[in-house]
Amino acid sequence: GENVEQHPSTLSVQEGDSAVIKCTYSDSASNYFPWYKQELGKGPQLIIDIRSNVGEKKDQRIAVTLNKTAKHFSLHITETQPEDSAVYFCAATKQTGANNLFFGTGTRLTVIP
Amino acid sequence: DTEVTQTPKHLVMGMTNKKSLKCEQHMGHRAMYWYKQKAKKPPELMFVYSYEKLSINESVPSRFSPECPNSSLLNLHLHALQPEDSALYLCASSLRAGGFYEQFFGPGTRLTVL
Repeated sequence: GENVEQHPSTLSVQEGDSAVIKCTYSDSASNYFPWYKQELGKGPQLIIDIRSNVGEKKDQRIAVTLNKTAKHFSLHITETQPEDSAVYFCAATKQTGANNLFFGTGTRLTVIP
Repeated sequence: DTEVTQTPKHLVMGMTNKKSLKCEQHMGHRAMYWYKQKAKKPPELMFVYSYEKLSINESVPSRFSPECPNSSLLNLHLHALQPEDSALYLCASSLRAGGFYEQFFGPGTRLTVL
């Protein structure tokens, strides 16, 4: 099965700085990579995703890059704000078959005002 | 309406109790999921329902019994649980199972087994 590794497990940045979270996956057949943000007391919420036919995707302050050859993908948050503080999970899955999401272990991001 | 609701928000039960968790969505999604999440861990998939039929059971103990009465509702019946079953139970839904469909998560039920 798929194995997704995520680093770092915790990340503290000053407000306004950038934050980068990295994930690697093991199954070369995985072709969809969503990122979820989980705030305290809430369920995970999709913030951005990328498919394997695209190398980069951006949505305002958030961007995701994918390197299929190296089997890794990264989340980039620029101009961080205190409300970006949360746990972020990367995930990987395949288009075919059941929609099983294989989650990374999570990164707790703290943005210091 | 892009919301998945779950009740109750908190549940405390003894090991001999029987209780149920409920999940509801009105987005027309035909796939619904139960996940278990322990503290500081990612969600772990338990069950997947596709078109009201159980399609995936990730080797979950029989003390957890899922039910999908209709396309909008998902229940998780609990019986004879163990303290190690204490966790956050998340429900999610997506337009279809399989493929690139975004999963929408509910806020979860925080379960404590005494």
